[in-house]
Amino acid sequence: RLQLQESGPGLVEPSETLSLTCTVSGGSISTSPYYWGWIRQPPGKGLEWIGSIYSSEITYYNPSLKTRVTISVDTSKNQFSLKVTSVTAADTADYYCVGDRGDGWFDPWGQGTLVTVSS
Amino acid sequence: SYVLTQPPSVSVAPGQTARITCGGNYIGSKSVHWYQQKPGQAPVLVVYDDKDRPSGIPERFSGSNSGNTATLTISRVEAGDEADYYCQVFHSSPDYSWVFGGGTKLTVL
Repeated sequence: RLQLQESGPGLVEPSETLSLTCTVSGGSISTSPYYWGWIRQPPGKGLEWIGSIYSSEITYYNPSLKTRVTISVDTSKNQFSLKVTSVTAADTADYYCVGDRGDGWFDPWGQGTLVTVSS
Repeated sequence: SYVLTQPPSVSVAPGQTARITCGGNYIGSKSVHWYQQKPGQAPVLVVYDDKDRPSGIPERFSGSNSGNTATLTISRVEAGDEADYYCQVFHSSPDYSWVFGGGTKLTVL
């Protein structure tokens, strides 16, 4: 069974770049036919899809974040990553990495990691 | 972009039936998925493809979808069902996107 684990800094300064990595275990990221993605949840608010990547190169982004977001895959490390540029306090959230087997729903989920944007 | 609308809150007494709705334009033509999120935890898929349950999810959880409304029904509600519930669809036009509803807080009285 696939398992996902997020990692990265818990504190990012305003205007800087938020970078997170998701490590996939229990299977190969390159041979598993998943859409690998990121979802975030600001404190006390709902879930927001950030973006997804398929076959290591086809990316889909939330239009509201598209200009600031990049998702990529590192098959050698069995990881995929998220970068969000020019962050503000509004980017403070729990960030979850997720997999979609192509059926349209997310399973599995990582446990989530809180990223706070503050100086 | 596609919008999903959920009531902010639903309250129900233990043993009763809770119904949480998810509204969207012609949502009946899409597959709707539901997640349960308890405080401090990652969301968990409880219903997929409108009405199917993943392994380990009690039969008390069921779903339906028709017209402009999808519904998650929780029968014989227990205290442990108190959580936030989110509906979600995959939308393919003009580009692929995964859309969530705003979430519904289920309170067990």
